[in-house]
Amino acid sequence: KQEVTQIPAALSVPEGENLVLNCSFTDSAIYNLQWFRQDPGKGLTSLLLIQSSQREQTSGRLNASLDKSSGRSTLYIAASQPGDSATYLCAVRSGGGADGLTFGKGTHLIIQP
Amino acid sequence: GAVVSQHPSRVICKSGTSVKIECRSLDFQATTMFWYRQFPKQSLMLMATSNEGSKATYEQGVEKDKFLINHASLTLSTLTVTSAHPEDSSFYICSASVPATETQYFGPGTRLLVL
Repeated sequence: KQEVTQIPAALSVPEGENLVLNCSFTDSAIYNLQWFRQDPGKGLTSLLLIQSSQREQTSGRLNASLDKSSGRSTLYIAASQPGDSATYLCAVRSGGGADGLTFGKGTHLIIQP
Repeated sequence: GAVVSQHPSRVICKSGTSVKIECRSLDFQATTMFWYRQFPKQSLMLMATSNEGSKATYEQGVEKDKFLINHASLTLSTLTVTSAHPEDSSFYICSASVPATETQYFGPGTRLLVL
């Protein structure tokens, strides 16, 4: 059974810093990996999706990497801003097509103004 | 981007009643939708996979007779929590997969409180 772990569980940094969020998964046979953002009491916003054949994806100040063989992914946030404060979730899809996602518990990020 | 809506956003009900939650894909057709549940400070857990025109596939430990799922069209799936109890209080969130990209887009969620 796939398990997803995110480290750290919480992180608080001053505005402007670059930071890295970590995600690991136990079964490397994944179809893709997705990073989401969740604001308090809200739904999820998809940030980046990395297919199993890819090694990284970039969107603006965000860069996500994937090392499938070691079961790891990182989300790099450059020049953090207070608006980046949220919970960041990592999720993997283990099968193609119709399989649902397995989520980590998330990293609660606070960017101090 | 693809938009998924959920209704209602929040519901409070008495123990023993049934609650229906709707999930709609607004600008794309979704042959598959997913239902998740999130308890406080826990990760989202997949409850079931909803396939248009066929029976839903439930995850281990999820009672199919308690959580009724209907996916009657390519843009609508419903989750009915039957005879709700306080332990069913949770955040229920649906998602739909965009066929071309297989990215999952999530609805805003429904917060259920059973008194």
